[in-house]
Amino acid sequence: GENVEQHPSTLSVQEGDSAVIKCTYSDSASNYFPWYKQELGKRPQLIIDIRSNVGEKKDQRIAVTLNKTAKHFSLHITETQPEDSAVYFCAALRDGGGTSYGKLTFGQGTILTVHP
Amino acid sequence: GAVVSQHPSRVICKSGTSVKIECRSLDFQATTMFWYRQFPKQSLMLMATSNEGSKATYEQGVEKDKFLINHASLTLSTLTVTSAHPEDSSFYICSARAETWLGEQYFGPGTRLTVT
Repeated sequence: GENVEQHPSTLSVQEGDSAVIKCTYSDSASNYFPWYKQELGKRPQLIIDIRSNVGEKKDQRIAVTLNKTAKHFSLHITETQPEDSAVYFCAALRDGGGTSYGKLTFGQGTILTVHP
Repeated sequence: GAVVSQHPSRVICKSGTSVKIECRSLDFQATTMFWYRQFPKQSLMLMATSNEGSKATYEQGVEKDKFLINHASLTLSTLTVTSAHPEDSSFYICSARAETWLGEQYFGPGTRLTVT
């Protein structure tokens, strides 16, 4: 099955700095890679996603890059703000059939702290 | 994004009793729903996948007789924790996807179960 490794486990930055979180995956057939933000005691919220047919996607201060050859993808947050503090999870999914259809495999999570 | 609700948000029960958690898709038809369990400071662990009108598919190590899942309609799935024990205390989160979506899942707000 799929295995997703996420680094770092904790990340502390100053407000205004950039933050980068990296994930690697094992299943070359995975084709959908979402990122979720989860605040304490709340639901994971989808913040950005990327499919295997593109290498980069950006949404305001958030961007995701994908390297299919190396099987890794990264989340980039620029101009960080204290409200960006949360746990971030990457995930990978193989969509399109088979026993892994539609099942997200999550990374271990990164606790991001943005200091004012 | 699509809206998924979950009820109750918090429940405390005595050891040996059963607890039912409901997951509803409010503005779309959820052909597939997923149930996750999350321990403090850990990632989401998939427990089972349920397709409307079919039996749920449980992940390895998850007891199907203990965690009963029913997905009787396109907007409702239920998870019943039977004969609950303190070790079942956890944060349970559902997610849902529509048939035509390519990978996206939306999460419910979660249910905090405490077994005393």
